[in-house]
Amino acid sequence: AQRVTQPEKLLSVFKGAPVELKCNYSYSGSPELFWYVQYSRQRLQLLLRHISRESIKGFTADLNKGETSFHLKKPFAQEEDSAMYYCATMDSNYQLIWGAGTKLIIKP
Amino acid sequence: NAGVTQTPKFQVLKTGQSMTLQCAQDMNHNSMYWYRQDPGMGLRLIYYSASEGTTDKGEVPNGYNVSRLNKREFSLRLESAAPSQTSVYFCASRSTSGGNNEQFFGPGTRLTVL
Repeated sequence: AQRVTQPEKLLSVFKGAPVELKCNYSYSGSPELFWYVQYSRQRLQLLLRHISRESIKGFTADLNKGETSFHLKKPFAQEEDSAMYYCATMDSNYQLIWGAGTKLIIKP
Repeated sequence: NAGVTQTPKFQVLKTGQSMTLQCAQDMNHNSMYWYRQDPGMGLRLIYYSASEGTTDKGEVPNGYNVSRLNKREFSLRLESAAPSQTSVYFCASRSTSGGNNEQFFGPGTRLTVL
């Protein structure tokens, strides 16, 4: 079965420092991967997907098939980045398989 | 364009009581989903509906039933609530335009079962 692992439940960094939220997946084919974000008191929303290879709010994520990873990175963290981040992959039935999430706290 | 709406936002039930969580989307999406979110466990799929008139079990369907009333609405029913069903419930719908596959979420329902 497909699985998504986010090893860090909590990540705390200082404003201006680089951020990397880890995500590893298990899937034998070509995965479709997403990062979703949930800001305080807001609904879950898509941050970025690997297919579009975009940068949103300064975040990027590169699919590394060799390491089966899709880590989320930002070179300089901002306080408004504090949120819950979820990595997810889509299975063959278009269902999302979710990681447990990482709570990111940006300290001033 | 309201996106995905859910009612109620909060609910407290006693063990054994029943209730229905309502969800509606105005984006003309075929697929809709119900998830529960528990600390340290991410989101777990309860039921989904790939299209109007069809529903299928997800990862954790026990204790729940669903109805896809029409293309817009997808309700989740707890027939006899249990404390283990205390959770935050999210409804979502999926876009398929242009191979997008993005899921759009409602604001959630925070349910406490005493």
